[in-house]
Amino acid sequence: SQTIHQWPATLVQPVGSPLSLECTVEGTSNPNLYWYRQAAGRGLQLLFYSVGIGQISSEVPQNLSASRPQDRQFILSSKKLLLSDSGFYLCAWAPGDYNSPLHFGNGTRLTVT
Amino acid sequence: SQQGEEDPQALSIQEGENATMNCSYKTSINNLQWYRQNSGRGLVHLILIRSNEREKHSGRLRVTLDTSKKSSSLLITASRAADTASYFCAWMNSGYSTLTFGKGTMLLVSP
Repeated sequence: SQTIHQWPATLVQPVGSPLSLECTVEGTSNPNLYWYRQAAGRGLQLLFYSVGIGQISSEVPQNLSASRPQDRQFILSSKKLLLSDSGFYLCAWAPGDYNSPLHFGNGTRLTVT
Repeated sequence: SQQGEEDPQALSIQEGENATMNCSYKTSINNLQWYRQNSGRGLVHLILIRSNEREKHSGRLRVTLDTSKKSSSLLITASRAADTASYFCAWMNSGYSTLTFGKGTMLLVSP
């Protein structure tokens, strides 16, 4: 069966520090991969998605970047964190089929101080 | 904005009662999905309804879709305290490969 791993679960970082969040998927190949951010009490905002290695689409301009160095690995990064980067970050995967649901990781709670 | 609306924002009921949550969207869609999120956790997929379907059932869940009104509803029957969570609708826009999420409904079921 397929599983998705996302870490760390919580992270407290100072303003101006770098960020690296990692997500890996097991049990499937060539998944579509997604990074979402959820502000407190709000819905999910799509940040990046990828349909293949090295293919990254960005939904909103921001202080973050994403990379997909391997088929089942998706990394969210920042060179210098801002206070506004605080939030709950969720990685998800789906088969390359528009009528399949997303499968989410357990999320990373990021607090920028 | 591509976001729609969910209502109510919060719903408080007693165990055994039914809970209905509504979702509206603004675009043509391939499908609409409902997810559940327990506090501080990732989202879990509940049910997917395609644009050519009008109603779908899964256990105590019933989802309807009205594409002419661009709206959907989720009904949870005979609710339990364990149903306490936030519920989100999400729609797959026609021609896109990403989901847009609503802002969610926070459901509290009291014993």
